[in-house]
Amino acid sequence: QSGLTQPPSASGTTGQRVTISCSGSYSNIGSNYVYWYQQFPGTAPRLLIYSHNQRPSGVPDRFSGSKSGTSASLAISGLRSEDEADYYCASWDDSLSGPAFGGGTKLTVL
Amino acid sequence: EVQLVQSGADVKKPGESLRISCKGSGYTFTNYWISWVRQMPGKGLEWMGSIDPSDSETKYSPSLQGHVTISVDKSITTASLQWASLKASDTAMYYCARLNSGWNGLDFWGQGTLVTVSS
Repeated sequence: QSGLTQPPSASGTTGQRVTISCSGSYSNIGSNYVYWYQQFPGTAPRLLIYSHNQRPSGVPDRFSGSKSGTSASLAISGLRSEDEADYYCASWDDSLSGPAFGGGTKLTVL
Repeated sequence: EVQLVQSGADVKKPGESLRISCKGSGYTFTNYWISWVRQMPGKGLEWMGSIDPSDSETKYSPSLQGHVTISVDKSITTASLQWASLKASDTAMYYCARLNSGWNGLDFWGQGTLVTVSS
C-alpha cells in the first residue's frame, strides 16, 4: 500500500493553531517533496503547500508545512471559520511512479 | 492563466463505454504531464495514471491498469480518460491535473467530471 496516513479529523477554535500530521515511508515522503491540498465540498482540490513548505501565490502565510524523516505536518495558525475543509497530504512515490495521497483530514472549526 | 477544463457530467449503464476529456490552456501543453485522479463518493483522492503529452508515454496505478486508458491529442491540447466497459464501482468524481516536474506534484486541477454508473 502506497498511501500516506492522516488522522481522519481535526478541530480547533477560531484563532487557535492546529496541526495535521501525515505519515509515509522512505519511498514517498522520505525521498520526495511533500505537498498539501485543501478541498471544499463539491470543489476541486487547491494546492496549499508544495516542496514541503512553499506556498503558491495567494495562499495566506497562516498555512505552513514541515517535514521530518518520513513524516510531515501542516500547521494552520489563527484559525478561521473559512478554513473548515478537507486537507490532503501527498508525495511522489518512487515505487508507484506517481503521487501517493493521504486519506484526508476533515478540519472542523468550533 | 493556466486552465484545465473538463467535459461535463455523464450518466451511464454498467457495461457501457465512456471517454471524458481535459483541455489545457495558458501554458505549453507538451511541457507537463497530465494526471487523472479519482475521488469516489465520500472518499479521498486516488492517483489513476499520468500521460506525457509530448510523446504519449503513460504510467498507470497498478490497481487500475487494464481497466482504464489514458490518451492525449496534443494538437488540441486535450487529454482523455476512457473506459471500455463501466462498472457501478466506477461512479466517482474524476479530476485531471497538471504535474509539476520541479517538485513532482499536481499544481493545477480541472473542475472535475462526475461519472455515475447505474442500471
